[in-house]
Amino acid sequence: QLPLQESGPRLVKASETLSLTCTVSGGSISSSSHSWGWIRQPPGKGLEWIGTLSYSGSTFYNPSLKSRVTISVDTSKNQFSLKLNSVTAADTAVYYCARIFGDSYQVDFWGQGTLVTVSS
Amino acid sequence: DIQMTQSPSSLSASVRDRVTITCRASQTIVNYLNWYQHKPGKAPKLLIYGASSLQSGVPSRFSGSGSGTDFILTISSLQPDDFATYYCQQTYSTPFTFGPGTKVDIK
Repeated sequence: QLPLQESGPRLVKASETLSLTCTVSGGSISSSSHSWGWIRQPPGKGLEWIGTLSYSGSTFYNPSLKSRVTISVDTSKNQFSLKLNSVTAADTAVYYCARIFGDSYQVDFWGQGTLVTVSS
Repeated sequence: DIQMTQSPSSLSASVRDRVTITCRASQTIVNYLNWYQHKPGKAPKLLIYGASSLQSGVPSRFSGSGSGTDFILTISSLQPDDFATYYCQQTYSTPFTFGPGTKVDIK
């Protein structure tokens, strides 16, 4: 059983807000052992780190997206979410949610990934 | 931002070949370097963390080495399941950045 699963609209109109949720089933999202994050991969391109939410609630965002991105947590549902506003075609990508663990901040579990397409 | 480069960008190899992939950081990252394997349509898989520590469940034919700015991923004897794209990632400073990837395909 994959412990992480992304959900949300697969098609978003340009200038609107992309919203994705990651449901964690492999343990408590409140665990102090882990942080949580989002990573994306545009078609034909490499991986891009979007941001991280630590167990303490601190967030770290990629400066290239910082003005448009919010990562938040809902501990009652064991979920964390990504919101990216004012999207353009450049935001079309496979979005992965991730569990981050350890001193090297390695991603030890990834969601399956969901392709979000921004339409004009 | 710390820039990560990988070489080669792609390589063709045969089963049982020894394969090495190099990753270089634009500044020192000590040993905050992770390696992932990625197959099309699947979630990436953590292979190596902290430059040289093997993730639990990963075959011992995978190994990592290096520190500072230069790192190597070695597959000692390539298996059919290993044909994939490999990415390095630095986690020394935010934003955490990935290398562009090395695609390993069948010769």
